[in-house]
Amino acid sequence: DTGVSQDPRHKITKRGQNVTFRCDPISEHNRLYWYRQTLGQGPEFLTYFQNEAQLEKSRLLSDRFSAERPKGSFSTLEIQRTEQGDSAMYLCASSLGTLTEQYFGPGTRLTVT
Amino acid sequence: KNEVEQSPQNLTAQEGEFITINCSYSVGISALHWLQQHPGGGIVSLFMLSSGKKKHGRLIATINIQEKHSSLHITASHPRDSAVYICAVKKGGSEKLVFGKGMKLTVNP
Repeated sequence: DTGVSQDPRHKITKRGQNVTFRCDPISEHNRLYWYRQTLGQGPEFLTYFQNEAQLEKSRLLSDRFSAERPKGSFSTLEIQRTEQGDSAMYLCASSLGTLTEQYFGPGTRLTVT
Repeated sequence: KNEVEQSPQNLTAQEGEFITINCSYSVGISALHWLQQHPGGGIVSLFMLSSGKKKHGRLIATINIQEKHSSLHITASHPRDSAVYICAVKKGGSEKLVFGKGMKLTVNP
């Protein structure tokens, strides 16, 4: 257990539905990251927060994706109108500073049917 | 071509063997991470390097900034070392981590 938690751990949804995932980072960590990992591939960066500010977003984050970190603590990642291609493991990580280790949560596995 | 390449992609070893996993990258970086991922998805950070060498237990990580290359060594390998080992680089001027595809290691007893 790294201290980063994610909820839910598994989500099965039908195409076209909206889903929301939550990440609770280590409490003193001001940086929070979202990644996506498909089977057999390394993770891909989605977005990054420093405190409550979303400072970097990948081009992978289409208009259907939105992330928030309203009080600089937990974060949510919402996917609207899910597609089968959204099926993946969604990973959250947190860190204390820019050149420090990232601590990963267990991930949320999304399956879109 | 991927910005981060790992070799080999798969490796099977016998318990006790010395193992080397390689990572090459083609971009300017501020740091390089070695991560371990067990079946089921959990990722654990092993090392973060910006220069030189780090050691933790049976694991040693080295980086050569000029050659854009890093290695992860496992001494006296054990079946519990079986996992996917992922190299990731933090590009200069960005918080973004770029990941390699990972190397699946299987250590047989």
